[in-house]
Amino acid sequence: EDQVTQSPEALRLQEGESSSLNCSYTVSGLRGLFWYRQDPGKGPEFLFTLYSAGEEKEKERLKATLTKKESFLHITAPKPEDSATYLCACGWGGGNKLTFGTGTQLKVEL
Amino acid sequence: DTGVSQNPRHKITKRGQNVTFRCDPISEHNRLYWYRQTLGQGPEFLTYFQNEAQLEKSRLLSDRFSAERPKGSFSTLEIQRTEQGDSAMYLCASSFGQGEEKLFFGSGTQLSVL
Repeated sequence: EDQVTQSPEALRLQEGESSSLNCSYTVSGLRGLFWYRQDPGKGPEFLFTLYSAGEEKEKERLKATLTKKESFLHITAPKPEDSATYLCACGWGGGNKLTFGTGTQLKVEL
Repeated sequence: DTGVSQNPRHKITKRGQNVTFRCDPISEHNRLYWYRQTLGQGPEFLTYFQNEAQLEKSRLLSDRFSAERPKGSFSTLEIQRTEQGDSAMYLCASSFGQGEEKLFFGSGTQLSVL
C-alpha cells in the first residue's frame, strides 16, 4: 500500500536555527515528490516538485532534496513567517493524483 | 488570474441534510480535483476531472457524494444525507494537465455537520 510518512509531527525553532523535515515514501509508479506549505484555514500552497533521486531545488530559505526513498526539506535561518504546516505528497497514476503525508507543523519563534 | 475559488468558505448543516459546494478553477486549467482534509491529517484524494469527464473516483467517495463539471468549467460537489463523519475541509485544486503536474489549491469549504 502506498504510504507517505513525515517527521517530526511538530517542530519548534528559534529564529535563525536551521533544521530539516523528513518525508519517507513507498509509492509505486511515482510521478513526482511535491512539497506544499499550508497556513491555518487555507489550502496548500505549492513549493517544489522533485522527479529523480539526487535532484535539489531551492527557494529563499528552503531547499528540497530527493533520494529513492525519502525527501528532505531544509530550512536555513528560518524566520517567524516560515511558521506553517509543511506537507509532502507523492504523485501517482493517471491524472497525477497526490497522496499526502500528515505534515510537519513548524513554529519559528523570535 | 484570481486563483482557485471555492464557495462557500464555511457551511454548517444538520445531519441528514444535503449540501453543495462550488469550485471555480484557474480558467486555463483543464484538470480539476476534489480532496478532503480532516484536522491533523493531509488532504485525501476524492475525485478528478479532465475537462468535463470525471475520470476517477476514490473508494473513499461513497454513493452519497456526487461531483459534476458541466462544460469543463466550474465544478460542484454534492453530499446527500450528510453524516457527522462528513465534517471536514473540502479542497478543490486545478492544474494544466498534459505534463504540468503541480496542483493549485483553493482555500477550501469547511463543513460542519451537527
